[in-house]
Amino acid sequence: DTGVSQDPRHKITKRGQNVTFRCDPISEHNRLYWYRQTLGQGPEFLTYFQNEAQLEKSRLLSDRFSAERPKGSFSTLEIQRTEQGDSAMYLCASSIQGWEKLFFGSGTQLSVL
Amino acid sequence: GESVGLHLPTLSVQEGDNSIINCAYSNSASDYFIWYKQESGKGPQFIIDIRSNMDKRQGQRVTVLLNKTVKHLSLQIAATQPGDSAVYFCAETFGAGKSTFGDGTTLTVKP
Repeated sequence: DTGVSQDPRHKITKRGQNVTFRCDPISEHNRLYWYRQTLGQGPEFLTYFQNEAQLEKSRLLSDRFSAERPKGSFSTLEIQRTEQGDSAMYLCASSIQGWEKLFFGSGTQLSVL
Repeated sequence: GESVGLHLPTLSVQEGDNSIINCAYSNSASDYFIWYKQESGKGPQFIIDIRSNMDKRQGQRVTVLLNKTVKHLSLQIAATQPGDSAVYFCAETFGAGKSTFGDGTTLTVKP
């Protein structure tokens, strides 16, 4: 399977714990995006990378959230001191620069208890 | 089973009917638009796209219409099938930046 891969698919954590998610994009794609989606809503932009550079970060993104793409391939999204409001589906997508069609992974469903 | 003009959060149609799903976008400078289909437990999947220099584009069983005057986008699905049941989102992009998603429409196809 050469699509976008996300791990884990599901994560249950207690409030205050840190969590980290991983995304492996389609190999030839140089752009990687993180979105968050809550039930009944459209995906909400969090941040995106072009190669290893983080080009944009949502103003809504708390300082507790950090994302990296150290070698321009896979990416990680870390949430520190999780809160119940962080419970959502975290979606990763990749694309080729200049072609804005996004290829999404199946997401990581986070539940904060 | 059709809805024209207004965005509806849900739409129910009979199998074989045509469906129209509407979307209002927010940025008049957006120059690229995509419709995505999202099935339960999966990420959104590309259906069809259109650039702002066009007002209509057709694919297999799907057509997207763009009205820049009123910032409106619609997705038409011909001969709707049970496999079309899903949530549909429109997304807008300005330049080569991020995509902004609209409110989804849940399409239910009745046999």
